[in-house]
Amino acid sequence: DGGITQSPKYLFRKEGQNVTLSCEQNLNHDAMYWYRQDPGQGLRLIYYSQIVNDFQKGDIAEGYSVSREKKESFPLTVTSAQKNPTAFYLCASSIFQNYGYTFGSGTRLTVV
Amino acid sequence: AQSVTQPDIHITVSEGASLELRCNYSYGATPYLFWYVQSPGQGLQLLLKYFSGDTLVQGIKGFEAEFKRSQSSFNLRKPSVHWSDAAEYFCAVATYSGGGADGLTFGKGTHLIIQP
Repeated sequence: DGGITQSPKYLFRKEGQNVTLSCEQNLNHDAMYWYRQDPGQGLRLIYYSQIVNDFQKGDIAEGYSVSREKKESFPLTVTSAQKNPTAFYLCASSIFQNYGYTFGSGTRLTVV
Repeated sequence: AQSVTQPDIHITVSEGASLELRCNYSYGATPYLFWYVQSPGQGLQLLLKYFSGDTLVQGIKGFEAEFKRSQSSFNLRKPSVHWSDAAEYFCAVATYSGGGADGLTFGKGTHLIIQP
C-alpha cells in the first residue's frame, strides 16, 4: 500500500545535538511538507518542497534544515539552534491535481 | 495572510448526541477546506474536504460539513456520536501558488470528549 513512513516513532537526543528525522513516501507525490505540533498550538509549517532540489521556508523554519535530493524523501534536521525542539513532528505529501494531503504517523522528539 | 479559527478548545458530548464543531477561515481567494481527525500520538486522517460545488460535503465515519461563504465558516457535524469519535479535530485551509501546493494552515484544534 502507498503511504508515508516516518521513522523513528520516538527519538531522544541531548541538548546541543543535531538530529535528523526521516520521511519517505511511495505515493509519487510531487510536494512534501514538515509540520510541528505542540499541545494547544495546532500544526505549524516548518518547510515544504514542491519539486526535487527545491524547498521553501514555512512559518517556523528557524533552527531547522531540509534537503530534497529524491522525490521520495524529505528529511528534516533539527539543529542545535532550535531553542525548543521537543515536539511532535509530522510529514505530509500532496499531489497538486487532486488537492489532497496525506500525513505520516509522526515522530515524537524529546530533547533532554 | 490566511488563518483558521476553531473557537472551541474542548467540547464534551454525550454518546448518541449530535455534534457540531465550528471553524472559521480567512483567505483571500477561493478556499480549499479540510477537516482532519487525530487520535493521541497518531498522524492525521482526512475526514472530508471542500473544493467547489455542493456546499454540503459528506465524509467518512458519518461526518458532514457545510461551507458558508457569507459566514466564512466550514462547520463539521455528526448526527449521533460514538465513543470512538473522541479525538482531536483540526480544520485547515490549503494555499496554492503558481508553483503548486504551498501547504495547509491549521486551526488550533478542538478536543472532543464523549461522555457515556
